[in-house]
Amino acid sequence: AQSVAQPEDQVNVAEGNPLTVKCTYSVSGNPYLFWYVQYPNRGLQFLLKYITGDNLVKGSYGFEAEFNKSQTSFHLKKPSALVSDSALYFCAVRDGDNNDMRFGAGTRLTVKP
Amino acid sequence: GAGVSQSPSNKVTEKGKDVELRCDPISGHTALYWYRQSLGQGLEFLIYFQGNSAPDKSGLPSDRFSAERTGGSVSTLTIQRTQQEDSAVYLCASSSASGGGKTQYFGPGTRLLVL
Repeated sequence: AQSVAQPEDQVNVAEGNPLTVKCTYSVSGNPYLFWYVQYPNRGLQFLLKYITGDNLVKGSYGFEAEFNKSQTSFHLKKPSALVSDSALYFCAVRDGDNNDMRFGAGTRLTVKP
Repeated sequence: GAGVSQSPSNKVTEKGKDVELRCDPISGHTALYWYRQSLGQGLEFLIYFQGNSAPDKSGLPSDRFSAERTGGSVSTLTIQRTQQEDSAVYLCASSSASGGGKTQYFGPGTRLLVL
């Protein structure tokens, strides 16, 4: 069965600095990896995904993520953080064509002015 | 176009009562998912519908939980004899088809509080 871990409950960065939100996964087959963002009292909003091909995936709002098969990681990054990026971020993985998608526990990102 | 919608946005009920939560997926999406998000935790998969196939109910936590999808579109999640531990945000998502790489699009959720 697939699983995903987000080792940090909380990440704090200053506005303008680069940010990284970490994610590692475990699957038995081919992984499909996703990042979602959740703003207060809202549903999850899709940011980006990795299916196959280029290991560096670019998504919405200037976010990107790098698929690293040897380290089984899919860290979310942004070169320059904005205060408006403050939210809860979820990494998710699907193992091949399984129906369910496993979500991490979430990482709360706080960007301070 | 319209996204996934859910109703009600908030529901307060008394322990032991039944509740129904509704999800309207994106038009044309054949796959529909229900998740539960408890405070401070990630998302827990509950149930999955794909077209006319039998639903995948493997995530339902007890037989008090059931869901149906009428006409391949709207879905209703029913919780019978609610318990306080059922308090959570219930999220619905839809995608254009099943398959590993398909993106799920989420609704705003229903916040359920069982007193």
